[in-house]
Amino acid sequence: EVQLVESGGGLVQPGQSLTLSCTTSGFNLGDYAMNWVRQAPGKRLEWVGFIRSSGYGGKAEYAASVKGRFIISRADFESIVYLQMNSLKTEDTALYYCTRESWAPSDSWGQGTLVTVSS
Amino acid sequence: EILMTQSPATLSLSPGERATLSCRASQSVGYNLAWYQQRPGQSPRLLIYAASTRATGIPMRFSGSGSGTEFTLTISILQSEDFALYYCQQYTEWPRTFGQGTKVEIK
Repeated sequence: EVQLVESGGGLVQPGQSLTLSCTTSGFNLGDYAMNWVRQAPGKRLEWVGFIRSSGYGGKAEYAASVKGRFIISRADFESIVYLQMNSLKTEDTALYYCTRESWAPSDSWGQGTLVTVSS
Repeated sequence: EILMTQSPATLSLSPGERATLSCRASQSVGYNLAWYQQRPGQSPRLLIYAASTRATGIPMRFSGSGSGTEFTLTISILQSEDFALYYCQQYTEWPRTFGQGTKVEIK
């Protein structure tokens, strides 16, 4: 069974950093690209970023709203994908999901981890 | 950035009725369109990809159609568990963008 478990969320002040983890199981992470998607309270889903599989170079793509502040990385041997978030803003407050990409951008979703940016 | 617009914002229907949800892209996305369902308090789940292919385990009452800029998600006979929020997403170019969602509620 495919499982994605996000962790690392919490309350931080504006300008601080936070790193989220997505621990995967039930499939070989190295074979898949992965996405991060977020959802602010009462708002639509927002795609945050994507990382290619290592076989395709592991390069990442980012939404304009987070480019230059967020970094996605992967540790295939540990079955973990990371989202490093720097210079956090109040508008980054959201539930953050990691998703697996296969035929569609997000064929499997985790339960999400909540990030609150507030002073 | 490709803007995805869903209509209507809310659809009020009774169990057993047919639901038709629309998604429009600001420019052509070909067939690179996915639909997701989000029940209250749950994570989204993939329903449809490539505009019309049902994901694994999705009931046949869900169907997708369209290409280019106009897409439709149809639920042929609404079941109680289908009352939820539905999002479309294009994945033809970066950034991948979602629609604002259509809520299917019980009338």
